[in-house]
Amino acid sequence: IVLTQSPGTLSLSPGERATLSCRASQSVSSSYLAWYQQRPGQAPTLLISAVSSRATGIPDRFSGSGSGTDFTLTISRLEPEDFAVYYCQLYDSSPLFGPGTKVDVK
Amino acid sequence: EVQLVESGGVVVQPGGSLRLSCAASGFTFDDYAMHWVRQAPGKGLEWVSLISWDGDSTYYADSVKGRFTTSRDNRKNSLYLQMDSLRTEDSAFYYCGKDKGGHDYRVLEYWGQGTLVTVSS
Repeated sequence: IVLTQSPGTLSLSPGERATLSCRASQSVSSSYLAWYQQRPGQAPTLLISAVSSRATGIPDRFSGSGSGTDFTLTISRLEPEDFAVYYCQLYDSSPLFGPGTKVDVK
Repeated sequence: EVQLVESGGVVVQPGGSLRLSCAASGFTFDDYAMHWVRQAPGKGLEWVSLISWDGDSTYYADSVKGRFTTSRDNRKNSLYLQMDSLRTEDSAFYYCGKDKGGHDYRVLEYWGQGTLVTVSS
């Protein structure tokens, strides 16, 4: 299976809505899809698992959706700390990360 | 508070060996599987290995299979990555991660800050 993420870079302003896509080359079984955020110079942090379940302490402006081969991470209103790189991860077998989407300031 | 602290990253020559360590605290270590994930500077994330809670089962990415060995010492709340026959393409930050468990087995719930391995002559 190959994971692709689009766009590669998303340039937005604070307060705008961000929509990030993750596509798998084969259908994903049983919601085994997670999202991580990595801020510059920091380790990744878990945002969402099982397609749409937010991790502990993650604000509700982050939401995940999708099924089969197409998944989406939505940030409803960008805060300054949300400008980062976002990775999707498949975990129905060995963990597999997508290449990432960078959200930067327009 | 969950804490994961990696150590052992240095500059090593191609063909050399290195052992990374990860000290865990803030959770019941022997209840959870653990991971290693790496990231070359400026690049994306690559999963490296997974070890079960008891150390009896290990899994590796094809890129490191046969060269890297993951182990754990539950008495010391520590995770290890023995890296042999190192190649320049193994240069990366190496992160240890705590598995989330349950349905989310193979999700990395918490990450350490990473340790940098540079393979260069």
